[in-house]
Order: sequence, then structure tokens, then C-alpha cells
Amino acid sequence: DTAVSQTPKYLVTQMGNDKSIKCEQNLGHDTMYWYKQDSKKFLKIMFSYNNKELIINETVPNRFSPKSPDKAHLNLHINSLELGDSAVYFCASSQDFSGNTIYFGEGSWLTVV
Amino acid sequence: QQQVKQSPQSLIVQKGGISIINCAYENTAFDYFPWYQQFPGKGPALLIAIRPDVSEKKEGRFTISFNKSAKQFSLHIMDSQPGDSATYFCAASRGGNYQLIWGAGTKLIIKP
Repeated sequence: DTAVSQTPKYLVTQMGNDKSIKCEQNLGHDTMYWYKQDSKKFLKIMFSYNNKELIINETVPNRFSPKSPDKAHLNLHINSLELGDSAVYFCASSQDFSGNTIYFGEGSWLTVV
Repeated sequence: QQQVKQSPQSLIVQKGGISIINCAYENTAFDYFPWYQQFPGKGPALLIAIRPDVSEKKEGRFTISFNKSAKQFSLHIMDSQPGDSATYFCAASRGGNYQLIWGAGTKLIIKP
């Protein structure tokens, strides 16, 4: 069983479209994250939820909106996609917000054309 | 103060050699220093971590050396193997409700 699973793995879409990436963790963790990894491999945290509550909301365009229906799920919705949104988006989770051992999903490759 | 500076950006090592990746930090409140390993097409995964009460931690061929006074920590990979080729990230946090601060990553290539 995959601990942190996200779908879709690959997504090619046109500028201006709206898309969602879904994430589920079966580890029983309280904290979930969305990270963005650009072409230079730099990892940037976007959001963090702890028990369905937003904890971290980094400087991210408000076109990006996370939704956590329960503590096992954290979805990412992106409105009006732009070329610069092309990146790999990683969902992750940890037992709590202490930062110890973050488990990452395999990533969702988003290409905006 | 919140940054973690990682070097080098990329590293090529011969098989059997020692790979060394360095990180430096400013915030003396940091108390947890993990290293993550990321293979192409995969998410990062925790490799090894250290807390500042020890100066070294070893797990198999992987060792973290920690220098509290210099505010530096490094990852040493002994007897480097082609299967170690990956991107390595150092990170630091101060625990509690504080996020992990990531280094910029080092792409390691081990030549056969």
C-alpha cells in the first residue's frame, strides 16, 4: 500500500484552465503538506494542514487553493493556470507538525502549455 | 536567519570514493537536521537525521557530521555506489510548530 498517494501523476493542460491534484495518506498522520519543486529541484513549501486546519500558507498566488476534507486527504486546486505553474507538486505528510520524518508522495508533474 | 545553505550544487564522484555534501545554517534555535534523498521521478525520502546533542551519526555507509560551533553539518557517503546517484537535500527545523527549512539540493552522480 502506498503511504502517500497523489493523482494524477502527469498532467498537461492549457493556460487558463483550472485543475486539481488529489492526495491521500494512509499513515494516520495529523499533518499534510503541499510542496512545489521547480526545474532546478528547489523544494518550496506551499501549504501545511494539521488536523484539517491550515497551519502554513506561504506566499503562493491565491489561484492555488488547498482543501482538506479530512485529515487523510489534502487536495490542491489551481485556477487560471499559468506557464510558470509548470513544476512537480509533491504531497507529503508527517505524524505531527514537529517536522520529524516527512513522507512524500511520488509527485504530480504539471505542464502548462 | 532562516536559510540553510547547501553546497555543492552538483558533485561527481568515482565509484568507491567518498561523497561529501555540506550545509550551513544561521539560526541557533534549530535542533533537528535531516538529510533527504530523492531519486529521479520519486519524492524525497528521509535518509538520516541528527540532533545537536551528538557530533556524528552513522547509518551504514552514510554519516552525518555536525559542528555546532561552526553551525555546519555534512553528509558523508563512504564507498559511494552508482545506486547512490540522486539529489540530496539537507534541512533544519526548530521543532514545535515550525516548518522544516530546506537546502537547495545537491545532485550527486557516482561514476562506475
